[in-house]
Amino acid sequence: EVQLVESGGGLVQPGGSLRLSCAASGFTVSSNYMSWVRQAPGKGLEWVSVIYSGGSTYYADSVKGRFTISRHNSKNTLYLQMNSLRAEDTAVYYCARDSETYYYDSSGYRYYYYYMDVWGKGTTVTVSS
Amino acid sequence: QPVLTQSSSASASLGSSVKLTCTLSSGHSSYIIAWHQQQPGKAPRYLMKLEGSGSYNKGSGVPDRFSGSSSGADRYLTISNLQSEDEADYYCETWDSNTHLFGGGTKLTVL
Repeated sequence: EVQLVESGGGLVQPGGSLRLSCAASGFTVSSNYMSWVRQAPGKGLEWVSVIYSGGSTYYADSVKGRFTISRHNSKNTLYLQMNSLRAEDTAVYYCARDSETYYYDSSGYRYYYYYMDVWGKGTTVTVSS
Repeated sequence: QPVLTQSSSASASLGSSVKLTCTLSSGHSSYIIAWHQQQPGKAPRYLMKLEGSGSYNKGSGVPDRFSGSSSGADRYLTISNLQSEDEADYYCETWDSNTHLFGGGTKLTVL
């Protein structure tokens, strides 16, 4: 069964650090694009970061320079290192597997898209003094 | 980058049908999107991938009551024979320039 299980959330003071983990089963993390998404209390979904199968990483502007996405291939686990945490980082954090699709435009150019097709149950991060 | 616009709320009666809309901003009408469902207190769940042509592919276990369609920049999620468990938030999502983008979500109430 394909599954993602997050852990590592908790209460942390502003300016502190936390590392989230996302253990995968049923598929190989390193063969897929993998993302982190967060949801602040009462708010919508906000994409945080993605790591490509080739290792490239990208971040939302709101976390760039403070958060780092990584993976451990032999543990089949995704991570999110969060530093310099702020009150506005308080949220439920979800990891997700990205699936690839594409379409051809009228000139025959292939456009690639990625969408989240497997979600974890989430882990809660609270930043407060 | 595209902006995805969703109505903040919708409602429909038990057993009826409802059509939720996600509108892509100007210049992005060909984009593929995904629909996700989030029931109260739960994690999001992938429902389907939907192309500009109207072709869609549903996730494993998604009931036949859920279908997708497209018209221009609009992407639709239709839920037929509404059940109480369909009361949830529904989000559309797309991809552009190494970034996932979400719509603001539609809160569906089943009356």
